[in-house]
Amino acid sequence: EAGVTQFPSHSVIEKGQTVTLRCDPISGHDNLYWYRRVMGKEIKFLLHFVKESKQDESGMPNNRFLAERTGGTYSTLKVQPAELEDSGVYFCASSLNSGLLFFTDTQYFGPGTRLTVL
Amino acid sequence: TQLLEQSPQFLSIQEGENLTVYCNSSSVFSSLQWYRQEPGEGPVLLVTVVTGGEVKKLKRLTFQFGDARKDSSLHITAAQPGDTGLYLCAGDSGAGSYQLTFGKGTKLSVIP
Repeated sequence: EAGVTQFPSHSVIEKGQTVTLRCDPISGHDNLYWYRRVMGKEIKFLLHFVKESKQDESGMPNNRFLAERTGGTYSTLKVQPAELEDSGVYFCASSLNSGLLFFTDTQYFGPGTRLTVL
Repeated sequence: TQLLEQSPQFLSIQEGENLTVYCNSSSVFSSLQWYRQEPGEGPVLLVTVVTGGEVKKLKRLTFQFGDARKDSSLHITAAQPGDTGLYLCAGDSGAGSYQLTFGKGTKLSVIP
């Protein structure tokens, strides 16, 4: 079974440009998450989709970030316009939706996209 | 805002030594997970602890969840060079929230 895949693996852009990151979750996983790790900091939650709906976007830094998951399959995270502080590694994760109360399904992480904004 | 303080940040030991990594918080977590991350890859789940006081063993790795579910530890016995990597703890606050709160990680180097 294929794991979570992310594209591209690396992206180097200039300040002010636009970048779109893509995540393909494990097939059948309704839950999709975006996380980010900036240098020297911990991995931080950005947002959570259940199928195509945004369940929790409390971690999104500002309105320069737009996440979509049309059709409830793959997801994209667009940064427009990119700023220097957006540099970091963006991880996508997915999990099943067991439907069990008070139980967090295991989140499987992709390899990440390393974004460098110059 | 929930925080997880992970220590030590860096650890370099000789093969065969024992080590313990700590993960502490002032907040209660519904569960706590330990991940291992290799360069260029995403975090891979090692274990999830759910019950206060729970101890789980995975070969030479022993994971413990504090009685109050605010802290956890990872103990490695007789470390091997293959244990080298970044170890991360992550907490789940439960109550319908799926987001994980991560510690900064412990970078372990086991020298042959």
